[in-house]
Amino acid sequence: QKEVEQNSGPLSVPEGAIASLNCTYSDRGSQSFFWYRQYSGKSPELIMFIYSNGDKEDGRFTAQLNKASQYVSLLIRDSQPSDSATYLCAVNEGTYKYIFGTGTRLKVLA
Amino acid sequence: DTGVSQDPRHKITKRGQNVTFRCDPISEHNRLYWYRQTLGQGPEFLTYFQNEAQLEKSRLLSDRFSAERPKGSFSTLEIQRTEQGDSAMYLCASSTWTSGTRPREQYFGPGTRLTVT
Repeated sequence: QKEVEQNSGPLSVPEGAIASLNCTYSDRGSQSFFWYRQYSGKSPELIMFIYSNGDKEDGRFTAQLNKASQYVSLLIRDSQPSDSATYLCAVNEGTYKYIFGTGTRLKVLA
Repeated sequence: DTGVSQDPRHKITKRGQNVTFRCDPISEHNRLYWYRQTLGQGPEFLTYFQNEAQLEKSRLLSDRFSAERPKGSFSTLEIQRTEQGDSAMYLCASSTWTSGTRPREQYFGPGTRLTVT
């Protein structure tokens, strides 16, 4: 079973700061990497996906991928209290399967 | 694009009863997935369909679980003889895929929260 690992947190950051969330994965063949946000009691919501090494920016969010180190991260700039949620990292295994980490709980302090 | 929908949103049942959940994926998506999620865990793969074909079922899934996607559109997940350990959020997700391409992003429905008493 391939693995995706995340620090469970909570990661606490002050409002307006940069939150940095990290994820490592075990399958060197993985090609597709995803970040989801999940509020308590709700379903996961797609935030970002990244396929190539480097950075991908979308508004306040930046996904970073380093395939050599098997590491993907999510940066949230100008963090807001509404960003407080659990962030799930997901990675493909093969052509159809997705493996999820257990998530990092982020708390943005007003 | 109306998103992925699931019904019911909540289900409370007594141990030993059968339950059935429905998922309607995004209309142009050919892949449909079922996951189970418990507190503090990420979604756990149960099964997936490509069009109407069920191509994999998790080894973790007992024979009490069955899923169908009869016309390649909506899907149902049935749990027979429910047990307290089946209490969880059941999530449906859909995506598009074309042969020879990398797996694409999945979109989740709101989930069905099952409580077995």
